Amino acid sequence: DAGVIQSPRHEVTEMGQEVTLRCKPISGHNSLFWYRQTMMRGLELLIYFNNNVPIDDSGMPEDRFSAKMPNASFSTLKIQPSEPRDSAVYFCASSLGPASSNYGYTFGSGTRLTVV
Amino acid sequence: KNQVEQSPQSLIILEGKNCTLQCNYTVSPFSNLRWYKQDTGRGPVSLTIMTFSENTKSNGRYTATLDADTKQSSLHITASQLSDSASYICVVSVSKAAGNKLTFGGGTRVLVKP
Repeated sequence: DAGVIQSPRHEVTEMGQEVTLRCKPISGHNSLFWYRQTMMRGLELLIYFNNNVPIDDSGMPEDRFSAKMPNASFSTLKIQPSEPRDSAVYFCASSLGPASSNYGYTFGSGTRLTVV
Repeated sequence: KNQVEQSPQSLIILEGKNCTLQCNYTVSPFSNLRWYKQDTGRGPVSLTIMTFSENTKSNGRYTATLDADTKQSSLHITASQLSDSASYICVVSVSKAAGNKLTFGGGTRVLVKP
């Protein structure tokens, strides 16, 4: 099993540009989570899907952020337009069950986003 | 407000020594508590998951305890190794009825020195 696969590993973009982060969860996992991590704020849950349906998007910072999960094997997180304060490491994780279940999460290696 | 507080923020220990990390939470209604290890530049890796009825759970040299009455958890590292240098994050989740939300602690950064 290749684990949770994220791409790209690193992204440097100019302010105002659109950024798309991609995630392939572990096959068979029905929950997918997008997190953002910064030194100041630590790990923050942005959005959580269960069976491809967004369950909780209360962590999405603002309308510039959007996430989709068109099928069980793929999700995207899009930032449009990007701003320097969006610079962070974005992690995708998947799990066999919802957030309150006792299944562990498997995290991807993250995408380090730098907006200049 | 649901909160998870970890202490200390950082810790330096000598290889071979033991250490204990603390996690206090005010999350309610409690569903489970997880400890993660995050190496620099990598995603977090699950160490333990504990529900309300579990007091202790071990994963190799890592032992987590949970006191649901006082809403405290600890992670004990025995005979530390250089590879234990990482950030350790405590995460508490609420029940499905309360929305499945997760609350993260700020983490404890552990540095093991030879």
